[in-house]
Parts: sequence; structure tokens; C-alpha cells
Amino acid sequence: DAKTTQPPSMDCAEGRAANLPCNHSTISGNEYVYWYRQIHSQGPQYIIHGLKNNETNEMASLIITEDRKSSTLILPHATLRDTAVYYCIVGAGNMLTFGGGTRLMVKP
Amino acid sequence: GAVVSQHPSWVICKSGTSVKIECRSLDFQATTMFWYRQFPKQSLMLMATSNEGSKATYEQGVEKDKFLINHASLTLSTLTVTSAHPEDSSFYICSANQQLWTDTQYFGPGTRLTVL
Repeated sequence: DAKTTQPPSMDCAEGRAANLPCNHSTISGNEYVYWYRQIHSQGPQYIIHGLKNNETNEMASLIITEDRKSSTLILPHATLRDTAVYYCIVGAGNMLTFGGGTRLMVKP
Repeated sequence: GAVVSQHPSWVICKSGTSVKIECRSLDFQATTMFWYRQFPKQSLMLMATSNEGSKATYEQGVEKDKFLINHASLTLSTLTVTSAHPEDSSFYICSANQQLWTDTQYFGPGTRLTVL
């Protein structure tokens, strides 16, 4: 699986958009970009995934660059409950390798 | 949809005893389930891949005789920690792979094991 690079931590004001970047410059053609988040002492929660097109669901939007070497997860209106560690993972869904993730702190 | 449950959510046991953790996919069938372990302030580490009807595949460094995995049906996988020791205390998380147009793993809520 390709490796990813994420900033270790980010802050966001409540009500504002949270934009979480992820670099995956060694991604291969058949690998997807997956995003999960983990709230303290809980199992990871699936957010969204995509191959090359931008994706949107009720939780977030995923923007993947044309060369697929990076992506951005967008939480359009962050709330305090969005405070969590966000993991960007590339690979096939049946094999995920978790890195350190980004600790997002949403502040009032 | 895509709900995965784990039982128990926490367990405390004495050193030397065995503990069984169940992982169930509630609204879909999963031929493949995974078991992870997470120590405090660390990321998830894959322990093993559980395939329905066949033997589990263990990651390097994980003792298969200590961490017994059974995947007897398409909705249930169990992890048994045998002869538990304090160093086995950890947060154990399972996931189930849902195959639709792509593969997506859905995770259970985790089981916190404390070995005294």
C-alpha cells in the first residue's frame, strides 16, 4: 500500500469549514483514497472514499487532485463533535494500513 | 447500514485466563474481517485477517497460538486471547469488509481489555 503524509494536528473554528490535507505521491492506479476518523476510545468511523473523481456524501467532501498525488477532506461546517483523529489511507479497502493521522481540534 | 458490533465493550481478567471477543456484521455479510490492536496514543496495528471458512492470516510478530481467530459464519468472527498477560492489555478493534462496487471496511466500537 502507498504511504500517506498528514499534518499531525490542526485547529478549526466551530461552524467553519475544516480542510484536511493528505499527500500520497506514490499511489498506484488501482488504489483508492479512504478517509476514516476516530473519536477517543471508539472504533474508526468510515467517512468517504474515492478513486479519482471528487466525492461528496452527507458527512464530507473529498477532493482528489488530477494527478492523484494528494487529496483534501472537507468538513463543510465543523462542529465540536467533529473533534477526532482523521486518517487518510490509500489502498484497496480489503487492506488498510493506518498512519498517524491528523488530530483535528474544533474550537468554539 | 454497514454496522459492526463488538462484545464485550470492555473486560477485566486475571493473568493466565482466556478472553473471547466477538465481532458481528449486523446488516451485511463479510467474507473477510480484520482484527486490530491499538495501544494508548498509537495508531491501529493490524493483527490478522480473518476469512470465513478458512484459517486466519496473521501479521508478522503476532502469535497465532496466543490470538486464536475463528470466522465460522459470514457475520461473526471471534478473537480469543489465550493465557492473557498484562502486556496484552490494549484496545482491540475489529472490522468487516463490505464488498459493493468497491471494498469498504467498517469498524466495530472496540473492546478494551485489561489484564491484571
